[in-house]
Amino acid sequence: AQKITQTQPGMFVQEKEAVTLDCTYDTSDPSYGLFWYKQPSSGEMIFLIYQGSYDQQNATEGRYSLNFQKARKSANLVISASQLGDSAMYFCAMREGRRRDDKIIFGKGTRLHILP
Amino acid sequence: SAVISQKPSRDICQRGTSLTIQCQVDSQVTMMFWYRQQPGQSLTLIATANQGSEATYESGFVIDKFPISRPNLTFSTLTVSNMSPEDSSIYLCSVEGRRGTSDNEQFFGPGTRLTVL
Repeated sequence: AQKITQTQPGMFVQEKEAVTLDCTYDTSDPSYGLFWYKQPSSGEMIFLIYQGSYDQQNATEGRYSLNFQKARKSANLVISASQLGDSAMYFCAMREGRRRDDKIIFGKGTRLHILP
Repeated sequence: SAVISQKPSRDICQRGTSLTIQCQVDSQVTMMFWYRQQPGQSLTLIATANQGSEATYESGFVIDKFPISRPNLTFSTLTVSNMSPEDSSIYLCSVEGRRGTSDNEQFFGPGTRLTVL
C-alpha cells in the first residue's frame, strides 16, 4: 500500500494565486516527520518545509506553509502568492521513527505549472 | 547544511557494463541513502548505507545489482552492475541533517544522470 499519496499529477495555477498541493500519508508509528521538496527542471532536490508528528503548530517557511491535519493524516503544502519560479515538481515525503537517520520515502509528486 | 558532491554528474554507458557512482559529504554522517529516479518518476530508495556494515536494501533491489561501499563516515559508492537501458535514471545520494542542529532536512546530492544504450 502507498505510504504517501499525492492525488494531483499536475496543476495549473495563475501567477499570484495561492496553491494547495495535497498529500495524505499512512503510518502506524506515532513518531514521524513529513517533508516537502521542490524539484525544478534542473533536477536538484530543494527542501521546502518539515512537520514533526508532535509539533503543535503548522510549519511555515516564508511563502510555504504546511496544513497538518493529523487525524486525517493529511499534510498539504500551501504556497501563497505563487510566482513563475514556483513551476516545478513537488514531492511529499515521510520519515517514520524518531531518528533523523531513518529513511525517507516519497510520494509520486505533483507537477505545478504557474501561468503568467 | 550538508554539502554533498557526486561523481560523475552524468554518463552514457553501454549495455552490460558497470558504473560506480561516488558520493562525498563535507561532514561525518551515520547513514547515507541512495535513491533512483527513473524518467518522469518519483524517488525510490535503493538502499541505506551505514559505515562499517553491509547496506540495507529495499524490496526490489539486490546487492549483486547495486553493490554499495561505505568505507568511512563521509564517503560512499554505488555501483550499477551489468547495466541495461532500464537502468537509465538519475541516482541521488542523500544524508540526514547535521547532528547538534535543528536540521530536520534530509540533504541531497546533485545526482548522477545515467543513460544506458
